[in-house]
Amino acid sequence: NAGVTQTPKFQVLKTGQSMTLQCAQDMNHNSMYWYRQDPGMGLRLIYYSASEGTTDKGEVPNGYNVSRLNKREFSLRLESAAPSQTSVYFCASSERGAGTLTGELFFGEGSRLTVL
Amino acid sequence: SQKIEQNSEALNIQEGKTATLTCNYTNYSPAYLQWYRQDPGRGPVFLLLIRENEKEKRKERLKVTFDTTLKQSLFHITASQPADSATYLCAPRINTPLVFGKGTRLSVIA
Repeated sequence: NAGVTQTPKFQVLKTGQSMTLQCAQDMNHNSMYWYRQDPGMGLRLIYYSASEGTTDKGEVPNGYNVSRLNKREFSLRLESAAPSQTSVYFCASSERGAGTLTGELFFGEGSRLTVL
Repeated sequence: SQKIEQNSEALNIQEGKTATLTCNYTNYSPAYLQWYRQDPGRGPVFLLLIRENEKEKRKERLKVTFDTTLKQSLFHITASQPADSATYLCAPRINTPLVFGKGTRLSVIA
C-alpha cells in the first residue's frame, strides 16, 4: 500500500526554469493538498483541492499553479522558479472534503527543491 | 488573524521521564485538534485527534488534553524513549484545510 507518492524526491533548478511536482494517492481520498516547509516557518499551505474538479488557494499560492488531474493525482507547477521557492514540498490527502469532522492528513515523503 | 504557538522549538528530556509539549492558539475556536509526528527527512504522520468536547485522549504512552477555555492543548509522552525523538506538530482544526504550528523538536537523551 503506497499511500501518497511524490516525484521527484530531489530537484535542482536554475532561476526562471519551470517544473512540475507530481503527487498521487491510492487511498481513494477526495481531498489533496500541497504544503511547503521551510526552517522556522513550519508547514504552509500552497493550494488544495477539496474534491476532484476543484482547487483553491492556500496561504502562499504566489508563483505556483496546480492541476487536479483526476481523483488520484494532484500536481504542483512552478512556472518560473525563484530562489525563494527553495523548500521541501509535501503533498497530502484526506478522506473527505471540506467540512469533514476529522480530516486526518496522510503525507508523502516530500520533494526537496533547490533553486539556484 | 489566527495564530498557533508551540511552546518551544526544542525540548530535551531524559529517557524515562514524561515529555510535555504545549500548543496554544488564539483568535478562533477549533472543533478539534490533531497532533502529528515528523522524523527528519520524512513527511508528518498523524498521531491523535481530540475533539472540543473531550478533555483527554490516550493512545499507548501518549496523552493529549484540550482546554478550550485556555485555548491550549498539551501533548504528553510518558516513559519517553530515544525513539520518541522527533518533531511534533499540532494542528487545531479551524476550517479546512489544516493549519499547523511550527512544531517542537523533542530529543530524548539516553
